[in-house]
Amino acid sequence: QKEVEQNSGPLSVPEGAIASLNCTYSDRGSQSFFWYRQYSGKSPELIMSIYSNGDKEDGRFTAQLNKASQYVSLLIRDSQPSDSATYLCAVNRGGGSNYKLTFGKGTLLTVNP
Amino acid sequence: SQTIHQWPATLVQPVGSPLSLECTVEGTSNPNLYWYRQAAGRGLQLLFYSVGIGQISSEVPQNLSASRPQDRQFILSSKKLLLSDSGFYLCALSWSSGTDTQYFGPGTRLTVL
Repeated sequence: QKEVEQNSGPLSVPEGAIASLNCTYSDRGSQSFFWYRQYSGKSPELIMSIYSNGDKEDGRFTAQLNKASQYVSLLIRDSQPSDSATYLCAVNRGGGSNYKLTFGKGTLLTVNP
Repeated sequence: SQTIHQWPATLVQPVGSPLSLECTVEGTSNPNLYWYRQAAGRGLQLLFYSVGIGQISSEVPQNLSASRPQDRQFILSSKKLLLSDSGFYLCALSWSSGTDTQYFGPGTRLTVL
């Protein structure tokens, strides 16, 4: 069973702190990794993607990938109350032109003012 | 950039009634299209995906079906709804070449009573 695991949370951090969200996956052949943010009652919106081992930064967000250990993480620097949402990790398990993603259940982040 | 439309936004249907949810896409041609369901307390579940007109792949056995009558139109249907069909239905797209990133529409919240 190919799975994507996330701590359901809630993860609570004070405003201005660094929030660290983690995700592990079971399919060692996975190639693409995504983080989505989902506000309550809304659809997921893409934060960033990562394909290679190491760090990828985009503004206050940094994604980290370690394929050997099969984990991907998302760091949010200078957390803001507006970052309070559920964060979904997704992993590509398909190939060719059919890109099928497997999602974790998400981690609920609460940023306290 | 591409835009995904879904309607209706919300729907309340009795058990045993039929269902038709529509997804249309603007701003891109020949996209890969996906239907997901997000049930309360559960992760995103891929239901169907399509790489072209009339081409549908089913991921999970169920009483739902999908059709793609036009390049930018994707329809989710059921002949008889079950209580377990309640959830948040999301249409997503990815480009048929290049990146495997998926983008989500606004979703349809379905309640089956």
